Amino acid sequence: GNSVTQMEGPVTLSEEAFLTINCTYTATGYPSLFWYVQYPGEGLQLLLKATKADDKGSNKGFEATYRKETTSFHLEKGSVQVSDSAVYFCALSVGGYNKLIFGAGTRLAVHP
Amino acid sequence: GAGVSQSPSNKVTEKGKDVELRCDPISGHTALYWYRQSLGQGLEFLIYFQGNSAPDKSGLPSDRFSAERTGGSVSTLTIQRTQQEDSAVYLCASSSYSGTAYEQYFGPGTRLTVT
Repeated sequence: GNSVTQMEGPVTLSEEAFLTINCTYTATGYPSLFWYVQYPGEGLQLLLKATKADDKGSNKGFEATYRKETTSFHLEKGSVQVSDSAVYFCALSVGGYNKLIFGAGTRLAVHP
Repeated sequence: GAGVSQSPSNKVTEKGKDVELRCDPISGHTALYWYRQSLGQGLEFLIYFQGNSAPDKSGLPSDRFSAERTGGSVSTLTIQRTQQEDSAVYLCASSSYSGTAYEQYFGPGTRLTVT
């Protein structure tokens, strides 16, 4: 079946630290991959996406590369800010209906 | 433009009562999804609409759950005879096609508490 596994949180970092949140997937077919972010008290927002192998999605300083050989889509940011504190969800969609299958979410807390 | 809206934002109900949750998608989005976010189960897909049809209902957890969509727009998720395990945040998303991927835009959710 299709599934997403992401690293457990919480991840606690100091401002300006480097961030990596690991995400691996299992899928039949060729999935599209997504990172969604949920800020405190807000709804889910699409952060970035990649639709085929070796694509790199990027937004707001965050990046993730679709690695078919390792079935991974790790999220990275070179210098985190306090405002990046949120829960991050890795997700995939595959097939014609494009329903999203989410990982469990990783809570990030950034301290000044 | 306006995003996805959901109502009510919060709903507290007694066990055994029926509830209706409403979703207004982004205008022009033909695809609509319902998801559920709970502590124990994370984010789960419930049902997918394309227009007024629901070709994928595979995520509905029991026959107490149903949904409909009218006019290719508003959708209602109904839970009959609510149980405590139904307590969760119910999220609605609508979808547009962007390049090579369908991007889903989420509403703020309805927090359902069953007492």
